[in-house]
Amino acid sequence: QSALTQPPSASGFPGQSVTISCIGTSSDVGAYKYVSWYQQHPGKAPKLLIYEVTKRPSGVPDRFSGSKSGNTASLTVSGLQAEDEADYYCNSYVGSYIYVFGSGTKVTVL
Amino acid sequence: QVQLVQSASELKKPGASVKVSCEASGYSFTGFAMNWVRQAPGQGLEWMGFINTNTGNPTYAPGFTGRFVFSLDTSVSTAYLQINSLKDEDTAVYYCATHRSGSYDNWGQGTLVTVSS
Repeated sequence: QSALTQPPSASGFPGQSVTISCIGTSSDVGAYKYVSWYQQHPGKAPKLLIYEVTKRPSGVPDRFSGSKSGNTASLTVSGLQAEDEADYYCNSYVGSYIYVFGSGTKVTVL
Repeated sequence: QVQLVQSASELKKPGASVKVSCEASGYSFTGFAMNWVRQAPGQGLEWMGFINTNTGNPTYAPGFTGRFVFSLDTSVSTAYLQINSLKDEDTAVYYCATHRSGSYDNWGQGTLVTVSS
């Protein structure tokens, strides 16, 4: 199972919005509601930001939002803040109890 | 609150085995599957698979069959990852994470396994 495709990098100025894409296929992202997003700061464990495409766990700011169109899921970070500088990963169910992560995107706050 | 505490870093020689532990607290251990995720140095996250904490039945991702073994000791709310016949390319941080609604909502702090002769 190949990793889902994410852009290697994205950037924005404080206060701006940045959107990260996660491109899969009709067998994974396009087929299931189980798409999630994770934020990882250097040297730290990943943190769940979004689950089931659009849902936010309690404690995650509403600046983080998720969506899906066809085989592509997206994470939007609105009102970019310095602490949002991190790596971001998507994850999708691909069937038969198997999941796969995306390739990861490094977000830089300019 | 939910806590997953993993064992300390390990330095092993090629061909040896290593067993990483993940002790859970703050919730019913058998309520959620335990997943394992690998992150090689400077690389992305790789989903290795999970173990059903009710039945002990493991599911391995393609590429993690054969040398990787998931196990449990429910009496101490602990999940284990054993890697046999270690190779240089197994050098990575290994994370455990609970699974809920198709996502990984709680993570251990990670265990660095270094394979070097």
